[in-house]
Amino acid sequence: DGGITQSPKYLFRKEGQNVTLSCEQNLNHDAMYWYRQDPGQGLRLIYYSQIVNDFQKGDIAEGYSVSREKKESFPLTVTSAQKNPTAFYLCASSTRGAGGQDTQYFGPGTRLTVL
Amino acid sequence: AQSVSQHNHHVILSEAASLELGCNYSYGGTVNLFWYVQYPGQHLQLLLKYFSGDPLVKGIKGFEAEFIKSKFSFNLRKPSVQWSDTAEYFCAVNRYTGGFKTIFGAGTRLFVKA
Repeated sequence: DGGITQSPKYLFRKEGQNVTLSCEQNLNHDAMYWYRQDPGQGLRLIYYSQIVNDFQKGDIAEGYSVSREKKESFPLTVTSAQKNPTAFYLCASSTRGAGGQDTQYFGPGTRLTVL
Repeated sequence: AQSVSQHNHHVILSEAASLELGCNYSYGGTVNLFWYVQYPGQHLQLLLKYFSGDPLVKGIKGFEAEFIKSKFSFNLRKPSVQWSDTAEYFCAVNRYTGGFKTIFGAGTRLFVKA
């Protein structure tokens, strides 16, 4: 089955700890994305990567970091610098066609709660 | 500020009622438009998309959307909803800003009463 997996589904951390969310895809997509979803605010882009070893900040990158060492993997680290980390995090991937017309395919999400 | 606006956050309909969900964006120039849907317990998935050509696009499960350039709108419609259409619907706009980025609206939760 092709798709995107995110683990874990639920994650609890103490305030001040860094935490890394996993995202893996077997769709052979070049581009991968991390979004944060909060009630009433839709999805906001944290980071995106269009190719291995390259990534760009999205609209709300402060307090987050990413790496893209392999095509199929795009882990997101929520650092202690993120002021309000409790949220639902969605990972997505797409082909990297010209023109921004590519459909994004989403994972099931990770709900992070910082206590 | 540039944005994607979905007018209704919650919509409740009875089965067989007609549906129209509004979406407006404030970006000029060329845009690519999408509607995504998240059914309960499922991943967010594409419903339909528009790039060019016929401004009336058809998607899965009987949904359609109309692009009206002069109104900066991309409203989603379905003539007769079913209980299984209960979901959250997101409008999204992809445009070039030194790279293509997708901006999502806040979402509309639709509940269809059986």
